[in-house]
Amino acid sequence: DIQMTQSPSSLSASVGDRVTIACRASQSISSHLIWHQQKPGKAPKLLIYAACNLQSGVPSRFSGSGSGTDFTLTISSLQPEDFATYYCQQNNSIPRTFGQGTKVEVK
Amino acid sequence: EVQLVEAGGGLVQPGGSLRLSCVASGFTFSTYWMSWVRQAPGRGLEWVANIRQDGGDKYYVDSVKGRFTISRDNTENSLFLQMNSLRADDTALYYCVRGGGSFDSWGQGTLVTVSS
Repeated sequence: DIQMTQSPSSLSASVGDRVTIACRASQSISSHLIWHQQKPGKAPKLLIYAACNLQSGVPSRFSGSGSGTDFTLTISSLQPEDFATYYCQQNNSIPRTFGQGTKVEVK
Repeated sequence: EVQLVEAGGGLVQPGGSLRLSCVASGFTFSTYWMSWVRQAPGRGLEWVANIRQDGGDKYYVDSVKGRFTISRDNTENSLFLQMNSLRADDTALYYCVRGGGSFDSWGQGTLVTVSS
C-alpha cells in the first residue's frame, strides 16, 4: 500500500498569510494526487486533482504542485473560510489512501 | 446539481450486520465509478471500497475484505454497502462518493456505531 504523509499535522495562521502544506508518497504516484478540504461537520470537498488542476469553482488562491513523491498545496492569501482540515489522497493504485490531514487554525 | 444521499446507518452490536444505501441524482449514475469512504470519529479519511460502472469490478481495503460487499443498481441510481461481522473499529461516518479515485462529489454521510 502507498503511504501518504502530510506535514505539518496542524498549523496556525492569520488571514492574509501564505500557507503551504506538504504531502509525501511512499512511492512514486506520478501526478495522481488529489487535495480535499474538510470543514467541521461537513463532507470533504475536492479542491485540486492531478496534482495541480483546480476543481471548477475553487478559488484561484489555491494551487497545487509536485510529481512523483513530493507534493504541495499552497493557499496564497488565507481567507476566513479557509480554516479547515486538508487531506491529500493518491489516486494511483488500490487501495486509495489519504494523508492524515493538516488542520489549519486561526493564529 | 449532484446529490448523494446516504441512509441505513445506526447502532449495531459487534458481529451484526447493516446495509447502507445511497441514492444519486443530478448526474448519469451509470457512467461513474462509485466509492464508499469512511471517517472514524475525530479521525481521518479511509477509502473502503469502489465499484465499476457496470458492477463488474469491485475493490476493497484489506480490513473489510470478506466482510463488506459493495453493489449498485443503475436502474435505481443506487449504491449499496452490505456490512457483515461488524467490529468496533468499523464505527465511522460512511460517505457515498462519486468516482473510483477522483472523489469529486460526496454525500453527507451516514453514521455506523458498533457497540454492545
